[in-house]
Amino acid sequence: DTEVTQTPKHLVMGMTNKKSLKCEQHMGHRAMYWYKQKAKKPPELMFVYSYEKLSINESVPSRFSPECPNSSLLNLHLHALQPEDSALYLCASSQATGRLNTEAFFGQGTRLTVV
Amino acid sequence: GQQVMQIPQYQHVQEGEDFTTYCNSSTTLSNIQWYKQRPGGHPVFLIQLVKSGEVKKQKRLTFQFGEAKKNSSLHITATQTTDVGTYFCAGDTGRRALTFGSGTRLQVQP
Repeated sequence: DTEVTQTPKHLVMGMTNKKSLKCEQHMGHRAMYWYKQKAKKPPELMFVYSYEKLSINESVPSRFSPECPNSSLLNLHLHALQPEDSALYLCASSQATGRLNTEAFFGQGTRLTVV
Repeated sequence: GQQVMQIPQYQHVQEGEDFTTYCNSSTTLSNIQWYKQRPGGHPVFLIQLVKSGEVKKQKRLTFQFGEAKKNSSLHITATQTTDVGTYFCAGDTGRRALTFGSGTRLQVQP
């Protein structure tokens, strides 16, 4: 199984809503990532988890809250988002975050629209 | 902060023509990876280069890593319509995370 599964595929939420994005992998990878991608732009790193511990937070606003309940799951909790947060949210995993990064496997993404 | 730029931003070619995208980093990279993202899709890993001056080939695709480990290129010979998409380089400066380049969008006219 070389898949990273993200749910939901699409999400429309109001600015006062609370929602969560979910990501799952069963490749035994110990590094998991959240990226945000706006149209015609590259993926932008948000968070990195290494061995279930948050190792990088790219100064992401606190309305985005990541969680790694176990080595296979990664969540992104959303609260009080702004319309400019509308984007494709990509989850990825890799074997580890050692000096030589191994290839990252990306999920299909969650297309988020904030209204 | 670290920047990884790619040129050109966009290229439109006739099927059968060659295509090259160039990736330049402001800092030395420990390794570089290349990804392809089809329209409406997600990034898919193509290759990783680690050594200074390394050249790797995958069928019609040739990847190079510069001697100073600050630049890289991807060359596609005789493009096909299946090559359509955005090609990203992604580098690691030792922060243990990839920073994606700005991307080159390739359109192939049949």
